[in-house]
Amino acid sequence: AQKITQTQPGMFVQEKEAVTLDCTYDTSDQSYGLFWYKQPSSGEMIFLIYQGSYDEQNATEGRYSLNFQKARKSANLVISASQLGDSAMYFCAMREGQGSSNTGKLIFGQGTTLQVKP
Amino acid sequence: NAGVTQTPKFQVLKTGQSMTLQCAQDMNHEYMSWYRQDPGMGLRLIHYSVGAGITDQGEVPNGYNVSRSTTEDFPLRLLSAAPSQTSVYFCASSLKQAPGAPLHFGNGTRLTVT
Repeated sequence: AQKITQTQPGMFVQEKEAVTLDCTYDTSDQSYGLFWYKQPSSGEMIFLIYQGSYDEQNATEGRYSLNFQKARKSANLVISASQLGDSAMYFCAMREGQGSSNTGKLIFGQGTTLQVKP
Repeated sequence: NAGVTQTPKFQVLKTGQSMTLQCAQDMNHEYMSWYRQDPGMGLRLIHYSVGAGITDQGEVPNGYNVSRSTTEDFPLRLLSAAPSQTSVYFCASSLKQAPGAPLHFGNGTRLTVT
């Protein structure tokens, strides 16, 4: 069964520094996708970045990049130049399958709370 | 540009009462799902649907029913509320056949069962 593990319940980072949020996953499927979401204190879920299992390059979206290490089954989120507005909970998630085998289901990790210090 | 609309935003129920959480999306997404969020446990999948007339159970389906009569709507029913169902509930939708399609979330419903 697929599983997502985020081992860091809480993290602190100084403003303007980079931070890495860890995510490991377990799946027997060869085709899968990995997602990161941000949940600020207001509660909404904001999509940040996506990495497909067959993508050869690490995904990047602005200050967000995904450090994808397929053999280690890890998909860490790197936030560069942290800002106060980055303080939030961050969730890693995985979707298995492609085409007709893709049910659309997304399984989430437990989340990591990031606090950015001024 | 409504996206995913959930109602109500807040609800207090007594044990044993029933209610329906409403969810509607206007993006013609095939896939819709319900999650509950509890502290330290992330988001757990309750039920999901890959299209009108098709529903399936997720990780924590007990105590909840769903139906999908139209592409747009995916209500979640609590038949007999229990304190263990106190949680924040999120409805989400996405395109099914696009592997990289992100889930679009509603703003959540905070439910308290006393």
